[in-house]
Amino acid sequence: AQSVAQPEDQVNVAEGNPLTVKCTYSVSGNPYLFWYVQYPNRGLQFLLKYITGDNLVKGSYGFEAEFNKSQTSFHLKKPSALVSDSALYFCAVRAVTGRRALTFGSGTRLQVQP
Amino acid sequence: DTGVSQDPRHKITKRGQNVTFRCDPISEHNRLYWYRQTLGQGPEFLTYFQNEAQLEKSRLLSDRFSAERPKGSFSTLEIQRTEQGDSAMYLCASSLSGEGRYEQYFGPGTRLTVT
Repeated sequence: AQSVAQPEDQVNVAEGNPLTVKCTYSVSGNPYLFWYVQYPNRGLQFLLKYITGDNLVKGSYGFEAEFNKSQTSFHLKKPSALVSDSALYFCAVRAVTGRRALTFGSGTRLQVQP
Repeated sequence: DTGVSQDPRHKITKRGQNVTFRCDPISEHNRLYWYRQTLGQGPEFLTYFQNEAQLEKSRLLSDRFSAERPKGSFSTLEIQRTEQGDSAMYLCASSLSGEGRYEQYFGPGTRLTVT
């Protein structure tokens, strides 16, 4: 079985400061990893993915994430937070082989204070 | 470039009634997925189609749930004899197949309330 843990229900950060949203995963074999963002009354928006190759992946809106195989982590980062980044963030995983379905974490609410 | 669309956006129904939701994927996407999301949780997988073939079904998909994608384009999700526990946001997603094309693009969802 595959699973995702997002240990923080909420992350608070001041505008202009760096942000990190944590994600750890469990999957049989190699993973494909994803981050999505959900704004109120809107669907999930794809931010970035790790498939293979460079452990640091860059995505939309200045976000990046670092894949760490030994720690089974895929933390989301941004060097300088914006108030408009405030939203609900979901990490998701699927195994390279097997099911196509994504397994999501429970989400982390990011609050960026002006 | 139109994204994934879902209809209706909101549905209120009485317990025991049947409901049907529609999803129109991004036009060139051959894979389509249904998920369910309850408050405070991440989406949970229900079922997956490649073209018109239903290839995966979750154990969450009880006998009261059925999904179709008759021509490999739009899909419908029907819930028969709804229960209060079916109240949730039902999300549809689509994706391409092929190497590296694994991200799924989500629609706005259909919020179901069973009274």
